[in-house]
Amino acid sequence: GEDVEQSLFLSVREGDSSVINCTYTDSSSTYLYWYKQEPGAGLQLLTYIFSNMDMKQDQRLTVLLNKKDKHLSLRIADTQTGDSAIYFCAESIRGSYIPTFGRGTSLIVHP
Amino acid sequence: DAMVIQNPRYQVTQFGKPVTLSCSQTLNHNVMYWYQQKSSQAPKLLFHYYDKDFNNEADTPDNFQSRRPNTSFCFLDIRSPGLGDAAMYLCATSSSDGPTGPQHFGDGTRLSIL
Repeated sequence: GEDVEQSLFLSVREGDSSVINCTYTDSSSTYLYWYKQEPGAGLQLLTYIFSNMDMKQDQRLTVLLNKKDKHLSLRIADTQTGDSAIYFCAESIRGSYIPTFGRGTSLIVHP
Repeated sequence: DAMVIQNPRYQVTQFGKPVTLSCSQTLNHNVMYWYQQKSSQAPKLLFHYYDKDFNNEADTPDNFQSRRPNTSFCFLDIRSPGLGDAAMYLCATSSSDGPTGPQHFGDGTRLSIL
């Protein structure tokens, strides 16, 4: 079955890099997504990666995909206080348009 | 900018009093979703429309209904809200054209029950 796991909390100092990790179980995943949710708001798509890619970089964001270990990570360089939010990992299975979400990682950035 | 808009942002209703939440989109996406999200949890899919076809999740209570009168609009009706229905309700859209694409979310409606 489908299952997406994330650690619940991450605390970093402003200016450091943040790495948020995610594991998934379904090897037929087609797309893997990262969403950001700020308090009281909806989910904002940050980036996504096709399952035939290993890495994707977009400004301060780097996504790494290890298909063998079914492990996805999101690295945020030079983390700022505005990056404090909940980050959701999600996967879409080939042929499905219903993604499975993880429980979200709460990123806390302190001075 | 193309977007997903939810109204109202905050809704307060009384226990048992019907309430309707609305969602509109300018993305011309054919798939629309309604999610319920409670504090510190992932969004939980209630149902979705693929074009005009309604798809209910097996564990969505009968108390929750939906309407999609056209491509742009979708409504969530809660017939008799209970205290356990207090949550954030998120609308999302996606396009089924080509490979499965990402979902685009509205800012949500926070529902409180008195």
